[in-house]
Amino acid sequence: ELKVEQNPLFLSMQEGKNYTIYCNYSTTSDRLYWYRQDPGKSLESLFVLLSNGAVKQEGRLMASLDTKARLSTLHITAAVHDLSATYFCAVDFGGSQGNLIFGKGTKLSVKP
Amino acid sequence: DAGVIQSPRHEVTEMGQEVTLRCKPISGHDYLFWYRQTMMRGLELLIYFNNNVPIDDSGMPEDRFSAKMPNASFSTLKIQPSEPRDSAVYFCASSSIRDPTGSTDTQYFGPGTRLTVL
Repeated sequence: ELKVEQNPLFLSMQEGKNYTIYCNYSTTSDRLYWYRQDPGKSLESLFVLLSNGAVKQEGRLMASLDTKARLSTLHITAAVHDLSATYFCAVDFGGSQGNLIFGKGTKLSVKP
Repeated sequence: DAGVIQSPRHEVTEMGQEVTLRCKPISGHDYLFWYRQTMMRGLELLIYFNNNVPIDDSGMPEDRFSAKMPNASFSTLKIQPSEPRDSAVYFCASSSIRDPTGSTDTQYFGPGTRLTVL
């Protein structure tokens, strides 16, 4: 079964702190996506990770992919309130499916 | 490009009525996806099309749901008859194929249609 699991599902952080969101998936893939969703809004693409060891950074967010461990991380550095949102990882398991399997999302709340 | 366009943005209807949601994908994209998002079940893939042909509709909840893509620039998701449990946000997304193995590029999501069935 193709599964994508995120943890934690809820995260409350203080501004200025660092934290990591984890995304595990069940079987081989070398293509993983991170999306952000603000309340009441659509999903916005953040990162596309294409191979083992891939690392992408944008501002205070850094995403990495370890295909051997079937694990991606989204690291938040010195959190600010504007980062409050729900973050989803999604895995492309390839083959003939042509679709992504999404995790349940991590709802991040950054408090002053 | 204007991105993925969905209409209506909000729909309130009564149980038993027919509901039609519309989507215009990004020009040139050959994959189109319909998702449903609820608090309880999260983001669920309902159906997706490749070059206007339905590829996988295993996520469609039941026969009350149907989807069509008559051309490359338009798709509809229809619910008939609607029920209160269909209340959700319905997203349409589109993407372009990466390579012949079938994997797709980044999916770009529309703004969603918030459906409320009373």
